[in-house]
Amino acid sequence: EAAVTQSPRSKVAVTGGKVTLSCHQTNNHDYMYWYRQDTGHGLRLIHYSYVADSTEKGDIPDGYKASRPSQENFSLILELASLSQTAVYFCASSEYGGALTGQLYFGEGSKLTVL
Amino acid sequence: GDQVEQSPSALSLHEGTDSALRCNFTTTMRSVQWFRQNSRGSLISLFYLASGTKENGRLKSAFDSKERRYSTLHIRDAQLEDSGTYFCAAEAGGGSGNKLIFGTGTLLSVKP
Repeated sequence: EAAVTQSPRSKVAVTGGKVTLSCHQTNNHDYMYWYRQDTGHGLRLIHYSYVADSTEKGDIPDGYKASRPSQENFSLILELASLSQTAVYFCASSEYGGALTGQLYFGEGSKLTVL
Repeated sequence: GDQVEQSPSALSLHEGTDSALRCNFTTTMRSVQWFRQNSRGSLISLFYLASGTKENGRLKSAFDSKERRYSTLHIRDAQLEDSGTYFCAAEAGGGSGNKLIFGTGTLLSVKP
């Protein structure tokens, strides 16, 4: 049974619209992450969180907000979607992220197309 | 900034053959992880290493324990289901905020 689940799995949004991607984990992990993957590239970190009600900026946070209302749930919010945000988004969790990040467990990905 | 370089970028193998993928790091890394992305886009965790080697079936990974500047993933007796894109991700730590840096992947095609 999948331990990190994302919704929606696919979404088409209009430029300027609001998009919320949701992630739920049953690993009981403290750390959760949002990455984006562009065609032919590796993953880049957008936001992460190590505790409920707190989020941290990753490497490419501009244009994105994150929300961690509980240990299990982590959302990525695009307030004003833009064409450049068309990508596949992955949520992940890990047990710890201090001295050593620990093994990442990924969700299935959410394909976002902004028109 | 810190870089993770994967090689080769693409690789074609016949079933039953062996191969090795490599990740080089421009700085000392604390740990490395290997993932396989299948045709549906799912990312599957293969290995997490802070040092030494790990083996799982036909896959074996090693992390240079001395200078911590490279990691390898060996595939033995390649099968069709091994096809996919393989990513390594390394953790620099310290001033890098313990974030993972991903390589750009190796596209592996296993043919009959």
